[in-house]
Amino acid sequence: EDQVTQSPEALRLQEGESSSLNCSYTVSGLRGLFWYRQDPGKGPEFLFTLYSAGEEKEKERLKATLTKKESFLHITAPKPEDSATYLCAAMLSSQGGSEKLVFGKGTKLTVNP
Amino acid sequence: NAGVMQNPRHLVRRRGQEARLRCSPMKGHSHVYWYRQLPEEGLKFMVYLQKENIIDESGMPKERFSAEFPKEGPSILRIQQVVRGDSAAYFCASSSRVFEQYFGPGTRLTVT
Repeated sequence: EDQVTQSPEALRLQEGESSSLNCSYTVSGLRGLFWYRQDPGKGPEFLFTLYSAGEEKEKERLKATLTKKESFLHITAPKPEDSATYLCAAMLSSQGGSEKLVFGKGTKLTVNP
Repeated sequence: NAGVMQNPRHLVRRRGQEARLRCSPMKGHSHVYWYRQLPEEGLKFMVYLQKENIIDESGMPKERFSAEFPKEGPSILRIQQVVRGDSAAYFCASSSRVFEQYFGPGTRLTVT
């Protein structure tokens, strides 16, 4: 069964304390690996798409990397405004043209000032 | 450039009533996806539509749920005879052909 697992479920950091979130996937053919940020009561906000192992993308304090089995979201010197739930999702190989995303349950990040 | 729009944002229905959720994709996007988020659960895929076509409905419950994306107007997710277990946040996403799905703010359905 296609599965996406995120760890840890929750993470508390002090402002400026860098860390990484993990997303491991077991899917039958990966077309893309997506990272989203979700604030309470809002829809997921697109951050990155990674398509192949070895690929890296950066945006402000965030950097996403991809291997054949997992992806990491590195957060450098986080600020309180980075507090949110970070979601990882895998897009599977097309079956009849489907482009559905399989989501992990997310990592809830809290950054204390 | 407006993002994905969903309405209503909050919807309260009594058991047995019908719920209609609307989604207007981003300008230039012709692909629409519906996902459901239950409390303490991840987002679960429901259905993928293009204009006038259902491409993948593998995540839709077999009964009471239907979706459409007509040639003109928004995409509609329809839930007939709602039950308490249908209470959830329903998110719509849209994309062009570059695969990146952009999400709307969601509709929070409460069944009393």
